[in-house]
Parts: sequence; C-alpha cells; structure tokens
Amino acid sequence: GAGVSQSPSNKVTEKGKDVELRCDPISGHTALYWYRQSLGQGLEFLIYFQGNSAPDKSGLPSDRFSAERTGGSVSTLTIQRTQQEDSAVYLCASSLVRTGGGEQYFGPGTRLTVT
Amino acid sequence: QQQVKQSPQSLIVQKGGISIINCAYENTAFDYFPWYQQFPGKGPALLIAIRPDVSEKKEGRFTISFNKSAKQFSLHIMDSQPGDSATYFCAARESDKLIFGTGTRLQVFP
Repeated sequence: GAGVSQSPSNKVTEKGKDVELRCDPISGHTALYWYRQSLGQGLEFLIYFQGNSAPDKSGLPSDRFSAERTGGSVSTLTIQRTQQEDSAVYLCASSLVRTGGGEQYFGPGTRLTVT
Repeated sequence: QQQVKQSPQSLIVQKGGISIINCAYENTAFDYFPWYQQFPGKGPALLIAIRPDVSEKKEGRFTISFNKSAKQFSLHIMDSQPGDSATYFCAARESDKLIFGTGTRLQVFP
C-alpha cells in the first residue's frame, strides 16, 4: 500500500518568503507528526495531530511556524518569513492510534533551503 | 536539554563484526523505546522496539538490551553487513510522542 508522501521533495526559497510543505499520511492513520531534521542532528519534534483533538504544538520553535490538518488527513506545515536557520529536512510521520505513537511511518521528507 | 543521549556519533565496523550503539535517558515516564534506521534521502523506518518490562529483545541480527535501573538501552547488530550502513536513531516515547537521540552513522566495510 501507499506510504506517507510529502511534497515538494525539495524547496529553495529566499529569506523572508513564506513556504508551505504538504504531507499525505497513510490512509486510516489518525495520528500525524511533523519533525525537523537539521544536518547531523536528530529529529526535532514540531507538532502532533491526533484525530479531532487539539494539536500538540509544543515543539514549534517560533510563531512563524504553524500547521493544520484538514479532514483528518492531509497536513500542511507553513513557515512564514523564512530565515536561514529554517534550512533543514522536514519530515512527516503517521501512525495508528492503537500503537500510541510508537510505530511511526515516515515520509521521505522535504529538504528546505533558505538562501 | 537533551532527553535521550545517544553515542557514538559515528561508528565504523568491519563486515561480520558487531555494531553497538548506546542510549541513555532520564525521564522515567518513557514507556516504549524504538530504534529507527534511516538511509540517505529516505525517512527513518522502525527497526526494532522494546518495552521497559523486558530486558532484551532479538529480531534476526538485531538485539535491544535494556537496563531499566541504569536508564540505558543499546542496539546490537550482529554479523554486520555493508547493507546495514545507515544512520540509526534511538527514541523514547512519552504521551504518544517520540523523543529521538541525535543519531549514529554506521559504516560497515567489506
């Protein structure tokens, strides 16, 4: 079956511009996560959606970052007024609620470069 | 503050050797400890996982050893193969979220 897909795979933007990154989770997965992976670093948790509950935004680094999930499926991560330090790979993952977030299925990521 | 500390940062092993990656944590609320494997250009994929009421779990050539009292766990890759060359992340779960270590880049040479 289809895995988690993300688009675009690569995005180059100028400092100060807004960007939108998209994630299509596995069908039936009610939990969706966004992470940021900087060069040589681990995965930094950004935000977590579970069903119709209010999202856990505790990992968002600043108010320039926001995310939404429409219809319990597709999610969009928006970064406003991008800065060079936002350059990273942004990963999306989804999981079944019964696994409690332990078994997460990751997409291939979007590599964001801010020039 | 790094909640899950992983070492080493990089590891070079000869084919057929044993690769060992270690992780340590402080938060006793963590209730699930997975390892993820990531190849270049791909997202991480779940490799093996353990719960804190078990001291060891083995799946093929991969074994997790878990020491609850020391708050440490490790991944052992037996008979390491060049195809195992990847970055490995340990993680710990709390409240449906995973906290990841910083990763270990493993290179297995023939």
